[in-house]
Amino acid sequence: GENVEQHPSTLSVQEGDSAVIKCTYSDSASNYFPWYKQELGKRPQLIIDIRSNVGEKKDQRIAVTLNKTAKHFSLHITETQPEDSAVYFCAASNSGTYKYIFGTGTRLKVLA
Amino acid sequence: DAGVIQSPRHEVTEMGQEVTLRCKPISGHNSLFWYRQTMMRGLELLIYFNNNVPIDDSGMPEDRFSAKMPNASFSTLKIQPSEPRDSAVYFCASSPQGNYGYTFGSGTRLTVV
Repeated sequence: GENVEQHPSTLSVQEGDSAVIKCTYSDSASNYFPWYKQELGKRPQLIIDIRSNVGEKKDQRIAVTLNKTAKHFSLHITETQPEDSAVYFCAASNSGTYKYIFGTGTRLKVLA
Repeated sequence: DAGVIQSPRHEVTEMGQEVTLRCKPISGHNSLFWYRQTMMRGLELLIYFNNNVPIDDSGMPEDRFSAKMPNASFSTLKIQPSEPRDSAVYFCASSPQGNYGYTFGSGTRLTVV
């Protein structure tokens, strides 16, 4: 069935360093890939997304890359700050169903 | 816009009782999703609706779970009878027609004792 694998499960970085989270998906029909940030006790919030017709998208310190051939996509956070500490979820979806398959999450800790 | 509104925020109930969770999607959003989040299983899709019609309920764990969407502005998720293993945070999310980012509600933290 449809599956999204996410690595690593936990990630600790020093403030100012970069963080990279990777996901792979199984459904070759997937064409939309959002990333969500969830702070402790709060709702997941969309931080960036990418569609299958582009290979990279940036928004300030956040970027996402997509390799459709290899069926993997990654989240890159540069110049990390303590407020970036949260759990990050990737997801994959296709326009036929609109339902997301989420990865298992990455707990990012930015050490001051 | 007030966003996706869920109620109650917290629910503590005894095993065997009926539990009803409520969701009001963002006005104009055509798709509504119910997710369950636990430490062990992460975010699991339970059911989703498109234009008030249930499209995929394959994630509903068992017959004790049911969901309805009687109109475009309201949905319920019911558990009857509830069991301790149903304890989780239940999120409702909505999105516009098409493949766009979900907006999640604040969630309902359910504890079944």
